[in-house]
Amino acid sequence: GAGVSQTPSNKVTEKGKYVELRCDPISGHTALYWYRQSLGQGPEFLIYFQGTGAADDSGLPNDRFFAVRPEGSVSTLKIQRTERGDSAVYLCASSPTGGWAGELFFGEGSRLTVL
Amino acid sequence: QQQVKQSPQSLIVQKGGISIINCAYENTAFDYFPWYQQFPGKGPALLIAIRPDVSEKKEGRFTISFNKSAKQFSLHIMDSQPGDSATYFCAAGGNEKLTFGTGTRLTIIP
Repeated sequence: GAGVSQTPSNKVTEKGKYVELRCDPISGHTALYWYRQSLGQGPEFLIYFQGTGAADDSGLPNDRFFAVRPEGSVSTLKIQRTERGDSAVYLCASSPTGGWAGELFFGEGSRLTVL
Repeated sequence: QQQVKQSPQSLIVQKGGISIINCAYENTAFDYFPWYQQFPGKGPALLIAIRPDVSEKKEGRFTISFNKSAKQFSLHIMDSQPGDSATYFCAAGGNEKLTFGTGTRLTIIP
């Protein structure tokens, strides 16, 4: 596709359930990022992949959050035992190379609501 | 400190006027300062960015002014148009991470 694709666009779940959010980056982009945006706030960094490996996962709030990118393209953000405080828009972005030589291209996000 | 402080929270400007949004940062290791524009239901899109080795960058109607000693930077939108109505985020980059401000909701009125 032309841009970063995220699915689902909306996800409503119950407290304690497991959730997976998927990101399809722009073809050929080696760098992939996950951010979280709470209502009325700016995006908050979660994790950065360069290729298949997580180069920086320092933004993951706790061990309930995990992300993978097994083939260096599609990435999945996994949230275990969801809590109401996890409700937010989860944004994925990709970049041709990483670093500040290339801009970040964001998807439209996956809106997660935990009841 | 990783904070980026952004003001104002909301801004109303008449069509044709100048919109000015300000940001301040604390971490001197930041070396990349982009501004993003976000429309409702969409992801942020890069508007313009600057590095700390220059004090100003202009692209069309959009200008970033950067003051390294004060650790401040600002976005100026000249000849503001209704289509510019959106939320604007400043950000500061270091080590592959962007730290975003809290956003400014800009409304351009006829």
